Amino acid sequence: NAGVIQTPRHKVTGKGQEATLWCEPISGHSAVFWYRQTIVQGLEFLTYFRNQAPIDDSGMPKERFSAQMPNQSHSTLKIQSTQPQDSAVYLCASSSRDRDGEQYFGPGTRLTVL
Amino acid sequence: GDSVTQTEGPVTVSESESLIINCTYSATSIAYPNLFWYVRYPGEGLQLLLKVITAGQKGSSRGFEATYNKETTSFHLQKASVQESDSAVYYCALGPSTNAYKVIFGKGTHLHVLP
Repeated sequence: NAGVIQTPRHKVTGKGQEATLWCEPISGHSAVFWYRQTIVQGLEFLTYFRNQAPIDDSGMPKERFSAQMPNQSHSTLKIQSTQPQDSAVYLCASSSRDRDGEQYFGPGTRLTVL
Repeated sequence: GDSVTQTEGPVTVSESESLIINCTYSATSIAYPNLFWYVRYPGEGLQLLLKVITAGQKGSSRGFEATYNKETTSFHLQKASVQESDSAVYYCALGPSTNAYKVIFGKGTHLHVLP
């Protein structure tokens, strides 16, 4: 079991560019979560999928952020027209319904917007 | 709504001292929440430290303990004698006990243990 895989581990973009972050959940896990982690805000929930369907995107900034899960083996988080305030570590986690809510986190993607 | 409030950091203690990181929760939409402590050590990913799914029970791991207190809606993290290697960021969290998916995290407490 390789755990949750996130790529790239580090990404640097210029202001206004697009950034796409990838996540491969643990095989067999039916839920995938995206979080944003900053020193000031801590761990912020962005969105989650269950059985590939979007369930709750209440944490997503509406205008520039989007997430998809085209199949059970990967999810993407896309940020259009990146801004310096988007700089953060983006975490992906997966979970299965028999784990009492326990989530397994990937190593994160550190996004730096210059 | 559902929320978690924990000790604001950073918290600095000396090695071999005792530690308590406070955590209280509000679970208005979750009848019987599960409670968690997650930890992120320097250079590592976020990982589960301990969880308790039954009110009144205590969870323990790596010398840390936390008791699920439904009366005071608390889940404080304690350790009798910390080590320098315990320096990390600790997150308290709650989640539903059925159809267990979305988890609510606290803002995290940064712990520094001085040698």
